[in-house]
Amino acid sequence: SYELTQPPSVSVSPGQTARITCSGDALPKKYAYWYQQKSGQAPVLVIYEDSKRPSGIPERFSGSSSGTMATLTISGAQVEDEADYYCYSTDSSGNHNWVFGGGTKLTVL
Amino acid sequence: EVQLVQSGAEVKKPGESLKISCKGSGYSFTSYWIGWVRQMPGKGLEWMGIIYPGDSDTRYSPSFQGQVTISADKSISTAYLQWSSLKASDTAMYYCARQDEVGYAIWGQGTMVTVSS
Repeated sequence: SYELTQPPSVSVSPGQTARITCSGDALPKKYAYWYQQKSGQAPVLVIYEDSKRPSGIPERFSGSSSGTMATLTISGAQVEDEADYYCYSTDSSGNHNWVFGGGTKLTVL
Repeated sequence: EVQLVQSGAEVKKPGESLKISCKGSGYSFTSYWIGWVRQMPGKGLEWMGIIYPGDSDTRYSPSFQGQVTISADKSISTAYLQWSSLKASDTAMYYCARQDEVGYAIWGQGTMVTVSS
């Protein structure tokens, strides 16, 4: 089955840039989406179609994709950005087989 | 306001059946796919499957095919996730979410299912 691979954890100091990666064989052809989940809350979409930001998401959140890797970048991370982040995409079968990455715990301190 | 409201927490015994719901409001329920996502305690998100309420076209993750049933009743704008025989390993938070042009932008509040003898 298709898998998306993320690092388990990333740690930065406030104001630094955090980068969270997501690798998957189909990413050269399929969009990546990124979700933020704070403790005890439902996930929130922060990036769609590799690099687009939904309304209401701060500009410090950006996304990119190159080859088999997508990257979520938080420029000038804030303490309130501390959360779990999940990438999400589909395989190339065309069968609506969507998967989440394993998630990355971002610590900002 | 566009929203998805899920049914309340459930506590069940192994072997029992269960059907949880996700009611959409503030939009045309038949025009958007609804997905279901599992989150086991302390673990990550897992995509279970998706349904298009307009025609009940349903797709399942291979990991959940045969383990759960996803359905919808468009007359009452409600999607469902059901089990015929629960296991302790089904203990988790379950979220429904609306898939639209930008992805899953609208989520339900989650339904906690606890299966314990």
